[in-house]
Amino acid sequence: KAGVTQTPRYLIKTRGQQVTLSCSPISGHRSVSWYQQTPGQGLQFLFEYFSETQRNKGNFPGRFSGRQFSNSRSEMNVSTLELGDSALYLCASSMSPGYNEKLFFGSGTQLSVL
Amino acid sequence: DQQVKQNSPSLSVQEGRISILNCDYTNSMFDYFLWYKKYPAEGPTFLISISSIKDKNEDGRFTVFLNKSAKHLSLHIVPSQPGDSAVYFCAASGNSGGGADGLTFGKGTHLIIQP
Repeated sequence: KAGVTQTPRYLIKTRGQQVTLSCSPISGHRSVSWYQQTPGQGLQFLFEYFSETQRNKGNFPGRFSGRQFSNSRSEMNVSTLELGDSALYLCASSMSPGYNEKLFFGSGTQLSVL
Repeated sequence: DQQVKQNSPSLSVQEGRISILNCDYTNSMFDYFLWYKKYPAEGPTFLISISSIKDKNEDGRFTVFLNKSAKHLSLHIVPSQPGDSAVYFCAASGNSGGGADGLTFGKGTHLIIQP
């Protein structure tokens, strides 16, 4: 069974631009979560989607948004990029939402904002 | 305010010995705890979990202990092997009534197993 696939693997953008990251969950998994990893803050929860609906959102500004499609694939978008948005963005999938569901992570998209 | 703390950024252990990784939490609503392992350039992979109704969970060489009164958990790896060298993240979750709030992660401990 294929794992969680994230594209692109690396991305370089400049301040003020916007970016879209993509995530394909494990087949059969319907819940997708996004996390931001930075050296200073560790992994921080961005949002979770299930059945095309955002279930929860972490403490991030409105520049960070996401969506989920009917095939469970998900995208996240960051608008008006700032230098501090440079991070590894990780997508995770699970069978269903739930606070004790085991998450399966992709390898991430490394975003660098110049 | 960090709700999940891993106070040791790194830990060096000799091969064959026991590795003990520690984690403290402050939110009393957390009732499910997980450990993830991360190699460079890869996403975290699930290692072991424990519910707050237990104080110990074991899976092969890995054992997690939970002390609810101290709000402390630890991961024991016995015996430590070179392939265990990685960053270990402690994570916690709890149903705060409004649905899942995602996992809250610590900043990680880099475990180095020395031959």
